[in-house]
Amino acid sequence: GENVEQHPSTLSVQEGDSAVIKCTYSDSASNYFPWYKQELGKRPQLIIDIRSNVGEKKDQRIAVTLNKTAKHFSLHITETQPEDSAVYFCAARFARVTGGGNKLTFGTGTQLKVEL
Amino acid sequence: GAVVSQHPSWVICKSGTSVKIECRSLDFQATTMFWYRQFPKQSLMLMATSNEGSKATYEQGVEKDKFLINHASLTLSTLTVTSAHPEDSSFYICSARDRGATYEQYFGPGTRLTVT
Repeated sequence: GENVEQHPSTLSVQEGDSAVIKCTYSDSASNYFPWYKQELGKRPQLIIDIRSNVGEKKDQRIAVTLNKTAKHFSLHITETQPEDSAVYFCAARFARVTGGGNKLTFGTGTQLKVEL
Repeated sequence: GAVVSQHPSWVICKSGTSVKIECRSLDFQATTMFWYRQFPKQSLMLMATSNEGSKATYEQGVEKDKFLINHASLTLSTLTVTSAHPEDSSFYICSARDRGATYEQYFGPGTRLTVT
């Protein structure tokens, strides 16, 4: 089955700096890589995702890069703000075009703290 | 956007009793629903996958007789924790995939279960 590793487990940055979180996956068939932000006691919220036919995707201050050869993908947050403080999870899945596809496998999470 | 609700949001029960958690997709038909468990400061661990009208598929190590899952309609799945014990105390989160979706799945707000 799929195995997803995530680093670092904790990350502290100064407000305005950039934050980078990295994940590696084991199943080369995985083709869908979402990133979730989870605040304490809340549901995970999808913040960005990337599919395997794309190498990079950006949405305002958030970007994700994918290296299929190396089987790793990264989340980049620029100009961090205190409200970015949360736990971030990467995930990987093999998604079939027809049918439900397989399950998401989550990374272990990164606690991001943005300090003033 | 797609909305998934869960009920109750929190519940306290005594050891040995059973608790039922409901997960509903409010504005779409969910052919597949997923149940996750999350312990404090840990990642989401998939417990089982349920498809409407069929038996749930449980992950290794999850007792199917203890965690009963029913997915009787395209908008409702239930998780019943039977004979709950303090070690079952956790944050239970459901997630649903739209009938026509290949990639995205939507998370419920979670249910905090405390067994005393």
